[in-house]
Amino acid sequence: QVQLHQSGPRLVKPSQTLSLACAVSGDDISNDVVAWNWIRQSPSRGLEWLGRTYYRSRWDSDYLPSVKGRITISPDTSKNQFSLQLNSVTPEDTAVYYCARAMNKKVQGQFYYYIDVWGNGTTVTVSS
Amino acid sequence: EIVLTQSPGTLSLSPGERATLSCRASQSVTSQFFAWHQQKPGQAPRLLIYGASKRATGVPDRFSGSGSGTDFTLTISRLEPEDYAVYYCQQYGHSLWTFGQGTRVEIK
Repeated sequence: QVQLHQSGPRLVKPSQTLSLACAVSGDDISNDVVAWNWIRQSPSRGLEWLGRTYYRSRWDSDYLPSVKGRITISPDTSKNQFSLQLNSVTPEDTAVYYCARAMNKKVQGQFYYYIDVWGNGTTVTVSS
Repeated sequence: EIVLTQSPGTLSLSPGERATLSCRASQSVTSQFFAWHQQKPGQAPRLLIYGASKRATGVPDRFSGSGSGTDFTLTISRLEPEDYAVYYCQQYGHSLWTFGQGTRVEIK
């Protein structure tokens, strides 16, 4: 059974960097049929996908355009975990942050892509 | 970016009744990349349906998904007490995921 365990500070000051880690058990983050995602949820924005990292013969990442330039999602294969760094945060970055696994699965000749496992969530507040 | 619009915002129904939730996309979505998630208060979302119509492991068969193109539906055939929650549709397209704003199913 795949589980995702999140860790990181819950209070970040404006203009500083938000850093969270997601430790994976039950799967290998270098698995080439999955991607590892960060998603946040707030009353104003709802559920918002931030980005992902994945291994397909090499590591790569994709990001939501509106946060690109401020965000880095990176793997740590030695710890079987991946992390989120969001720079220059403002109060608008206050949210519950989730890590999640997306699975690329072939069923009867068709490829399916879906988010199937979520971390428990970390409430991060940006405030001085 | 594909925008997903869910309706209604809130559905008030009694246990045993049928729930029909709608999700409309701003442009055509690949069905194999469309899913529904359930979220209860204080919990992370949970995958219910993937590929528009396939139930995830352990999901009761009272949950069913249908649709294609821009219109998708989640149906709960007979509401059980544990089904009262918020439901989100989700899609992957143009290298990013987007979510609907959610439909709350509440006890009438």
